[in-house]
Amino acid sequence: QLQLQESGPGLVKPSETLSLTCTVSGDSITSSSNFWGWIRQPPGKGLEWIGTFYYSGSTYYSPSLKSRVTISVDASKNQFSLKMSSVTAADTGVYYCVRHLSSIFAYWGQGTLITVSS
Amino acid sequence: EIVMTQSPATLSVSPGERATLSCRASQSVSSNLAWYQQKPGQAPRLLVYGASTRATGIPARFSGSGSGTEFTLTISSLQSEDSAVYYCQQYHNWPPWTFGQGTKMEIK
Repeated sequence: QLQLQESGPGLVKPSETLSLTCTVSGDSITSSSNFWGWIRQPPGKGLEWIGTFYYSGSTYYSPSLKSRVTISVDASKNQFSLKMSSVTAADTGVYYCVRHLSSIFAYWGQGTLITVSS
Repeated sequence: EIVMTQSPATLSVSPGERATLSCRASQSVSSNLAWYQQKPGQAPRLLVYGASTRATGIPARFSGSGSGTEFTLTISSLQSEDSAVYYCQQYHNWPPWTFGQGTKMEIK
């Protein structure tokens, strides 16, 4: 059974870099058929796609976040990570890691709340 | 980028009645349209993909229809546990994958 679990600091100061990790169990992130990604949701607002990768291919980023976001992979731990630089209060929200299934967001982690505040 | 627009923003329906939610795409997405349900404090759950195919374990009272730019999610007989926010999402032209702003379903 596929499970995704986000982990992160909870609180990040403005202008600093947010770092999140998604730990995957029940599937391999190195499978060439699997796309993995990040989605966020500001408090009381809708869903925003951040970025997606597949292990043996490309990485895609939201045009509005591309300059500040990097997704990386640690295959040995079956984990992938998100780094977002120069955060502001607008980056506060719940961050979800996801696995695509034919471009559909079929599997979601439970989400982790990130608050940007001094 | 394809913009997804959902209506209404909030829908209030009595138990047992039919609920109809709409989603419009700024350009054709063919049938590459998914619907998600999100309850408070939970991650979204996939309901429908391919505009009309229910995901595994989704009750038959949920049905999706449409193609091109106009889509509908219908809940045939609303139950109390259907209180949630519903999002549509296109996966025709990506990146980016884009969502509608959501419709909040309230049970009277």
